[in-house]
Amino acid sequence: DADVTQTPRNRITKTGKRIMLECSQTKGHDRMYWYRQDPGLGLRLIYYSFDVKDINKGEISDGYSVSRQAQAKFSLSLESAIPNQTALYFCATSDRTSGRIADTQYFGPGTRLTVL
Amino acid sequence: QQQVKQSPQSLIVQKGGISIINCAYENTAFDYFPWYQQFPGKGPALLIAIRPDVSEKKEGRFTISFNKSAKQFSLHIMDSQPGDSATYFCAASIGTYKYIFGTGTRLKVLA
Repeated sequence: DADVTQTPRNRITKTGKRIMLECSQTKGHDRMYWYRQDPGLGLRLIYYSFDVKDINKGEISDGYSVSRQAQAKFSLSLESAIPNQTALYFCATSDRTSGRIADTQYFGPGTRLTVL
Repeated sequence: QQQVKQSPQSLIVQKGGISIINCAYENTAFDYFPWYQQFPGKGPALLIAIRPDVSEKKEGRFTISFNKSAKQFSLHIMDSQPGDSATYFCAASIGTYKYIFGTGTRLKVLA
């Protein structure tokens, strides 16, 4: 079974609709992240969370919100979807470093979102 | 200052050839430089990483070369294989968790 799962894998929605993307992990990691991938722009951080009570905005948080329901679950919501939010969305997890310079981030398979 | 510039955007290499992808950064506070590999339909996965106190790191056919004075680092794939066809992202981090990713390079290795 995959360690980081995302649902749905594909979603088509209309402008103005509320949509939630879900992420679950079985790696036991404390840290979870939401990224957006656009062609030619790479991966950009939307939100990140170090634990259930610690949620932080990333580079491009406007128009998005998140919820960390449990250590293993981190959801991304688009309150009122717009066409320029059409993108590939990735959830990732990492563990606190232990003597290492930086975390290794483990990515889910992605959700392809299309907003018409 | 927070950007990581990656080139080329796409690359086509013959089987057995050398693939080279370059990245440049401005912020000298970056202290960790990983490369991630992404196959179609999959999430990125860590391939290899380097710290700025090392000029080169090699893992199998994959080598990172790091030039601290030029603020550049590159990924070399020796003896490139069709199975290496993927999108490659360089990244840089300050501290343990926050990465700035490059824009990605789509590599195609011809059989």
